[in-house]
Amino acid sequence: DGGITQSPKYLFRKEGQNVTLSCEQNLNHDAMYWYRQDPGQGLRLIYYSQIVNDFQKGDIAEGYSVSREKKESFPLTVTSAQKNPTAFYLCASSTGDRVSYEQYFGPGTRLTVT
Amino acid sequence: DQQVKQNSPSLSVQEGRISILNCDYTNSMFDYFLWYKKYPAEGPTFLISISSIKDKNEDGRFTVFLNKSAKHLSLHIVPSQPGDSAVYFCAATTGTASKLTFGTGTRLQVTL
Repeated sequence: DGGITQSPKYLFRKEGQNVTLSCEQNLNHDAMYWYRQDPGQGLRLIYYSQIVNDFQKGDIAEGYSVSREKKESFPLTVTSAQKNPTAFYLCASSTGDRVSYEQYFGPGTRLTVT
Repeated sequence: DQQVKQNSPSLSVQEGRISILNCDYTNSMFDYFLWYKKYPAEGPTFLISISSIKDKNEDGRFTVFLNKSAKHLSLHIVPSQPGDSAVYFCAATTGTASKLTFGTGTRLQVTL
């Protein structure tokens, strides 16, 4: 079955530590995205990548970093510089071909930093 | 600046009745709109979309209406079912990098 996997489902870290969230897709999609969801808010774009070895900042990129070394993988690192890292993080992918703008989402990772 | 707005945080509808979820946008460059459904602690799932060249798109119980002059779209669910209870997000794109701008969501509760 094709889809997007995110691991782990729940993640706990101490303040001051960097943490990397995994996102893998086997949909053969070119474009991948990272969003953050906070209670009562919509999804806010952190970073996106339209092609391997290239990525752009979204609306709230400060305190985050990404890499796109493989088409299938788009890991997100939440650094200690991120002031409010506790949130629900969602990874998505799309064909990026401007024919269909539909994005497919993974199940999400809930990160709690204390 | 919230370019996509869902002004009703919640909506309660009886089973079998029509649910109408609304969405307003400010960016006139948006030319494609999508609705997503989300259950707690899960990723959103795509429901239905509409291009700006259309004013209506229908898929089973779900219909999306677009009023470009008013910069308004709505999602109609008929008939509503208990399994429709979820948070619904409206999203829009100008087509650039296939980026989506999401609204804040409306929580739909379908009661028996």
